[in-house]
Amino acid sequence: NAGVTQTPKFQVLKTGQSMTLQCAQDMNHEYMSWYRQDPGMGLRLIHYSVGAGITDQGEVPNGYNVSRSTTEDFPLRLLSAAPSQTSVYFCASSDFQGALDEQYFGPGTRLTVT
Amino acid sequence: AQSVTQLGSHVSVSEGALVLLRCNYSSSVPPYLFWYVQYPNQGLQLLLKYTTGATLVKGINGFEAEFKKSETSFHLTKPSAHMSDAAEYFCAVSDDFGNEKLTFGTGTRLTIIP
Repeated sequence: NAGVTQTPKFQVLKTGQSMTLQCAQDMNHEYMSWYRQDPGMGLRLIHYSVGAGITDQGEVPNGYNVSRSTTEDFPLRLLSAAPSQTSVYFCASSDFQGALDEQYFGPGTRLTVT
Repeated sequence: AQSVTQLGSHVSVSEGALVLLRCNYSSSVPPYLFWYVQYPNQGLQLLLKYTTGATLVKGINGFEAEFKKSETSFHLTKPSAHMSDAAEYFCAVSDDFGNEKLTFGTGTRLTIIP
């Protein structure tokens, strides 16, 4: 099993550009989530999904969109990048109890917005 | 609303010494509590979690944590530090009972002194 994979690993965007961060898991997990990690702030939940076709907002959803058309994939879209979105982004997945189960994290995407 | 406070953003201990990382939580309902570890340039990995039952929880790599309701604490300990324990450690608490979201603390970076 590859676990949770994320692409790209690094990305530099200009303000106003859009892009999609990819996340895929091969563990047949229902629950998937996106976090951002900023220095001194820990991880903050952006969006999450409890299954295909179901998504919900987390703590910091503004400026981000998600969709879940399959169990395996959970892409995160930045609509119009802003410097405040410079961060490390982690995708995670877990089994039927969601975040109360062990979450498996991807290796992260380091995004810089200039 | 739930919250987590990790005392000490940086902790240094000598190799072979006791590791103690502090976590206090606030929750309006019986919490689920977690410790995750992040090694450099990697995603997070679950160390241990408390749900119900025994208040002393043992995790991977010789770590353990004790849930103390009266002190609203869930401190992480390891009797003898190893160089490989150098990492960042995050405490997390579940959202309202049955909700599948976690609130993470700001993290504690553990340095091991040879």
